[in-house]
Amino acid sequence: NAGVTQTPKFQVLKTGQSMTLQCAQDMNHNSMYWYRQDPGMGLRLIYYSASEGTTDKGEVPNGYNVSRLNKREFSLRLESAAPSQTSVYFCASSNYRGDEQYFGPGTRLTVT
Amino acid sequence: SQQGEEDPQALSIQEGENATMNCSYKTSINNLQWYRQNSGRGLVHLILIRSNEREKHSGRLRVTLDTSKKSSSLLITASRAADTASYFCATDGGYSTLTFGKGTMLLVSP
Repeated sequence: NAGVTQTPKFQVLKTGQSMTLQCAQDMNHNSMYWYRQDPGMGLRLIYYSASEGTTDKGEVPNGYNVSRLNKREFSLRLESAAPSQTSVYFCASSNYRGDEQYFGPGTRLTVT
Repeated sequence: SQQGEEDPQALSIQEGENATMNCSYKTSINNLQWYRQNSGRGLVHLILIRSNEREKHSGRLRVTLDTSKKSSSLLITASRAADTASYFCATDGGYSTLTFGKGTMLLVSP
């Protein structure tokens, strides 16, 4: 039972490059989330998926897209990376919105 | 926008002492949760308290909730060096997802 897994752990991109962050959970949770964490800013929600087949914008969605591939997997795509997207990205899941969330280990992304 | 705000931003204590951190929020909630984050790791859920509860315990953790003051406190008793981490409160307003505060950094020195 791995919980929430994220790949990759680290990534360096050049401005304008694209990449997809992968997230998977094995807890049969309905809801999944993507956050970014910057120093002094706490966690900010990028996108979430309340249930399979639905996605919604969070607080900071600009520059990102998401796909809820199936119940287990929720990916985050940066189409054209910018230095402002340098951050640590966390995926999380919960049984339902408002329930306790389980977090992955994070992806540290640097955009130069 | 973030609803929960933790106070203090940073707290430094000695092992064996108690640590208290507070969280204030703005609108009504269904529940309030506390999470811990060790450096470089993902957040770990500690405890959830519902709006109709006033106090909850889990091991060395004690959480209180005062809905009239829109505030919560997390007390860690007999702190250990391993408690060194950032602590976040998160609120469930029932309309969207959890909203996290910016956290309290706790340093417990041996």
